[in-house]
Amino acid sequence: GEDVEQSLFLSVREGDSSVINCTYTDSSSTYLYWYKQEPGAGLQLLTYIFSNMDMKQDQRLTVLLNKKDKHLSLRIADTQTGDSAIYFCAESHGSSNTGKLIFGQGTTLQVKP
Amino acid sequence: GAGVSQSPRYKVTKRGQDVALRCDPISGHVSLYWYRQALGQGPEFLTYFNYEAQQDKSGLPNDRFSAERPEGSISTLTIQRTEQRDSAMYRCASSLSSSGGPRAGELFFGEGSRLTVL
Repeated sequence: GEDVEQSLFLSVREGDSSVINCTYTDSSSTYLYWYKQEPGAGLQLLTYIFSNMDMKQDQRLTVLLNKKDKHLSLRIADTQTGDSAIYFCAESHGSSNTGKLIFGQGTTLQVKP
Repeated sequence: GAGVSQSPRYKVTKRGQDVALRCDPISGHVSLYWYRQALGQGPEFLTYFNYEAQQDKSGLPNDRFSAERPEGSISTLTIQRTEQRDSAMYRCASSLSSSGGPRAGELFFGEGSRLTVL
């Protein structure tokens, strides 16, 4: 079945780069997404990548997609304490893209000053 | 308000009672989604609507769960005869677009309704 896996926890120092990894199983997914959840808040879309792209850069965020290995990563450059949150990788369900997403279990990013 | 609004924020109920969770999406958003999130897990899809039409209810766990969006705006998720395993955060999200492009997956989530069944 469809599944999205992430490592559970990452700790970095302020100013370092953070890399959060994700693997997914549905090769027909059209888009892959990264969402951020801050304590007590709803999830917020950070960025997305179309499945036929290898890389997308958006300010401090870089998304890398290896479609062959079904591996997605999110790199945050110059990580700040305000980046501390839970990051969810999500894939669109099947090829007809809707908001029916399959989420990973989330990676908690801890940024130490 | 500007965002997705859910109520109640917290609901504690006894096993066997019915509960209704409400979602008021962003004005003009076509699609409305319900997700359930257990502690330490990612959101899990339950059901979604385009306008007032329920498009997919494949994620509803059983027939005790139902949802409606009668006028294409506010939605209610109802759980009948609640059980302890229903305890979770229930999240509503809305989307401007129904399908096709990346914006369909750009979900605007509410803060959630935390349900505890004793």
